[in-house]
Amino acid sequence: EVQLVESGGGLVQPGGSLTLSCAASGFTFSSYEMNWVRQAPGKGLEWVSYMSSSGSTIYYADSVKGRFSMSRDNAKSSLHLQMNSLRAEDTAVYYCARDYDSSGRFDYWGQGTLVTVSS
Amino acid sequence: QSVLTQPPSVSGAPGQRVTISCTGSSSNIGADYDVHWYQQLPGTAPKLLIYAASNRPSGVPDRFSGSKSGTSASLAITGLQAEDEADYYCQSYDTSLSGSVFGGGTKLTVL
Repeated sequence: EVQLVESGGGLVQPGGSLTLSCAASGFTFSSYEMNWVRQAPGKGLEWVSYMSSSGSTIYYADSVKGRFSMSRDNAKSSLHLQMNSLRAEDTAVYYCARDYDSSGRFDYWGQGTLVTVSS
Repeated sequence: QSVLTQPPSVSGAPGQRVTISCTGSSSNIGADYDVHWYQQLPGTAPKLLIYAASNRPSGVPDRFSGSKSGTSASLAITGLQAEDEADYYCQSYDTSLSGSVFGGGTKLTVL
């Protein structure tokens, strides 16, 4: 059974940093592209970042470019999102999502982890 | 302002048919990128509902169908049931943004 489990969320002050993790199981992690998607309270879905299966290609949404850094450890089947210079508008539930076939088809999602940026 | 435009809400009585539109542009849907739809039940993660405009993953009832034409796509739900009450999102790829884009979401209310 495919499982994606996010962790690392919490309360952080504006300007602070946080690292999210996503533990994958039930599939060959190294064969799949991965993404982070976030959802602010009461709002819609916003794509955050994409990483190729090898980790050699990464894309970010303009809203997080230069502040967030995505990485993966294929040996440990884990995905990470380093978030720096956090702002109030980064408050959201962050989901990791598996990209099935490079078409942006997110076929499996984690349960999400809440990041709250507030003083 | 989302790159893909969806109506904020739709509603229908049990058993009825509703459609949800998703309008994009020449840099996403109109560029022939795939359109996918997700259903998000209250308090849960999104679930893939329709992929590549009109395909259903295993386990999704055939009451759900999708189509795409030009710069738009649509999701149709027939035989509405109470458990269909959820938020629905369309998604595609945008070449000018080099990333996925989502619609703003549509809240379906079953009357």
